Amino acid sequence: DAGVIQSPRHEVTEMGQEVTLRCKPISGHDYLFWYRQTMMRGLELLIYFNNNVPIDDSGMPEDRFSAKMPNASFSTLKIQPSEPRDSAVYFCASSFQSTNEKLFFGSGTQLSVL
Amino acid sequence: GQSLEQPSEVTAVEGAIVQINCTYQTSGFYGLSWYQQHDGGAPTFLSYNALDGLEETGRFSSFLSRSDSYGYLLLQELQMKDSASYFCAVKGSWGKLQFGAGTQVVVTP
Repeated sequence: DAGVIQSPRHEVTEMGQEVTLRCKPISGHDYLFWYRQTMMRGLELLIYFNNNVPIDDSGMPEDRFSAKMPNASFSTLKIQPSEPRDSAVYFCASSFQSTNEKLFFGSGTQLSVL
Repeated sequence: GQSLEQPSEVTAVEGAIVQINCTYQTSGFYGLSWYQQHDGGAPTFLSYNALDGLEETGRFSSFLSRSDSYGYLLLQELQMKDSASYFCAVKGSWGKLQFGAGTQVVVTP
């Protein structure tokens, strides 16, 4: 298996632009998580899905952020409009329901909003 | 809510033993996980404790005391490649996994 695949690896955009981050989880995994990592705030859980259904989005910073999981093999995290404080590394991770303490992380998307 | 406390940095020499403590406050606790992250990389899973006691995986061991809301990760026979950040993470209700701020381990020759 190729592991969790995220795209793009790097994204540089200007304030106010829409940003879409993509994630393909490991086939067969039931859970999908979106995390954001910064020096100041560490690894923050933004939202997670179980069998494509959002379970908890309380970590989503504000309405500018939205996430979808239209099927078991694809998820997106969208920021519209983007702001400089959104600059961070965004990780997607997936796991089996039976062992959802063991997350498999993608390589992350380094987002820079200028 | 949930909170996790772990030291920000630990420095040790090659071959030494390092213990990274993690204390937590949470409602709905199912277990404690540990992850390693090298600079520029993604977190990778190391271990998980659901029950009290010690779990050993090679040079790394993890311990949990549910009554004390406390756990630790023990790194033995430190190697240069162990220089990384180490995160404890609490597994809560509905599969939610919340991470601590991380401990940077610096291994010196």
